[in-house]
Amino acid sequence: KNQVEQSPQSLIILEGKNCTLQCNYTVSPFSNLRWYKQDTGRGPVSLTIMTFSENTKSNGRYTATLDADTKQSSLHITASQLSDSASYICVVSPGEYGNKLVFGAGTILRVKS
Amino acid sequence: EAGVTQSPTHLIKTRGQQATLRCSPISGHTSVYWYQQALGLGLQFLLWYDEGEERNRGNFPPRFSGRQFPNYSSELNVNALELEDSALYLCASSWGGGSYNEQFFGPGTRLTVL
Repeated sequence: KNQVEQSPQSLIILEGKNCTLQCNYTVSPFSNLRWYKQDTGRGPVSLTIMTFSENTKSNGRYTATLDADTKQSSLHITASQLSDSASYICVVSPGEYGNKLVFGAGTILRVKS
Repeated sequence: EAGVTQSPTHLIKTRGQQATLRCSPISGHTSVYWYQQALGLGLQFLLWYDEGEERNRGNFPPRFSGRQFPNYSSELNVNALELEDSALYLCASSWGGGSYNEQFFGPGTRLTVL
């Protein structure tokens, strides 16, 4: 069964600190992996998208890594800001035409001052 | 450039009623996707429309249906509403249905079934 698991479920950090969110997946076949940021009550916004051959991709203070062999990905947030408080969702595309994405449940990040 | 828009923002219905949710994709996008996000759960794929046709559907009962209009906007209909249908319904659009095409999400419609 295609699944995406994320950890931790929630995380509280102080403003200015770094953090790393984890994603493990069992989706097959694999086309690409995406990280989305979802503010409360809003739609998700794409942060990064990586294919099988990409190991790292950055978007500002966000850096995603992918190990396709172990089927793991991480999202590293550097120098966190209060506006980083959101749910971060790992999404895997099995590559079927129709883009039937498989979503993780998300990690809820809260940045405190 | 305008993003994906959805209406209404909130919708309150009672059990057994029907709900209609609407979505307007980004200009130029031909694919529209519908997702359900129940409280505390991940997004679940509902339906995909492209060029006016239903291309794929998730594991939801037939009372979840929809359509896509010639201008690529879409509506989602949920018949015989049940309490567990209460959720945030998100619409996304993309340029075509390729697996690498980025999906842009709307703000969602919060459906509450009483």
